[in-house]
Amino acid sequence: EAQVTQNPRYLITVTGKKLTVTCSQNMNHEYMSWYRQDPGLGLRQIYYSMNVEVTDKGDVPEGYKVSRKEKRNFPLILESPSPNQTSLYFCASSFRQGEWGANVLTFGAGSRLTVL
Amino acid sequence: AQSVTQPDIHITVSEGASLELRCNYSYGATPYLFWYVQSPGQGLQLLLKYFSGDTLVQGIKGFEAEFKRSQSSFNLRKPSVHWSDAAEYFCAVVTLGGTSYGKLTFGQGTILTVHP
Repeated sequence: EAQVTQNPRYLITVTGKKLTVTCSQNMNHEYMSWYRQDPGLGLRQIYYSMNVEVTDKGDVPEGYKVSRKEKRNFPLILESPSPNQTSLYFCASSFRQGEWGANVLTFGAGSRLTVL
Repeated sequence: AQSVTQPDIHITVSEGASLELRCNYSYGATPYLFWYVQSPGQGLQLLLKYFSGDTLVQGIKGFEAEFKRSQSSFNLRKPSVHWSDAAEYFCAVVTLGGTSYGKLTFGQGTILTVHP
């Protein structure tokens, strides 16, 4: 089944304890992206990747890191989590995005993170 | 910079009534527009998209949306709402070109409540 898989789905952690949220897709998609969802703010893009080894900042990248060493994986790293990073996180992927056209994103089920 | 506005944070309708959810965008070029739905505890599912051509697009679950360039709008409609349509709905636009290839910008979301 074509899907985007995120882990963990739920996590409670403490301030400063490094954590990684994994994201994997099995559709051979080039484009991957991370969003956070907060009430009243919709979804805001954290980072995105157009292809392997190509990443760029979205609207709210502070406090986050990403890497894209393989096409299928796009982990989100919180080096030193803080309470304001408590949120619902979504990973998404698609075929290429570019000047010539846009493609539909497929979303993961979400990861709810609480930082105490 | 592009932006998407959903003026209604929360809408309540009775089952069987018609529905219209509003979406306005700000974007210089021809937009690529989407509507996504998020059921409680779920990820985002694509309802429909507009890339070009006919300005009235049909989606899944009986939804449709109309692109009106003169009003910079992409409103979502359904003639008769079912209780299972209760969810949060997001309008989104894709940026193509410049330094933000493939960036998907979301509106704040509209929560739909359906009364029996």
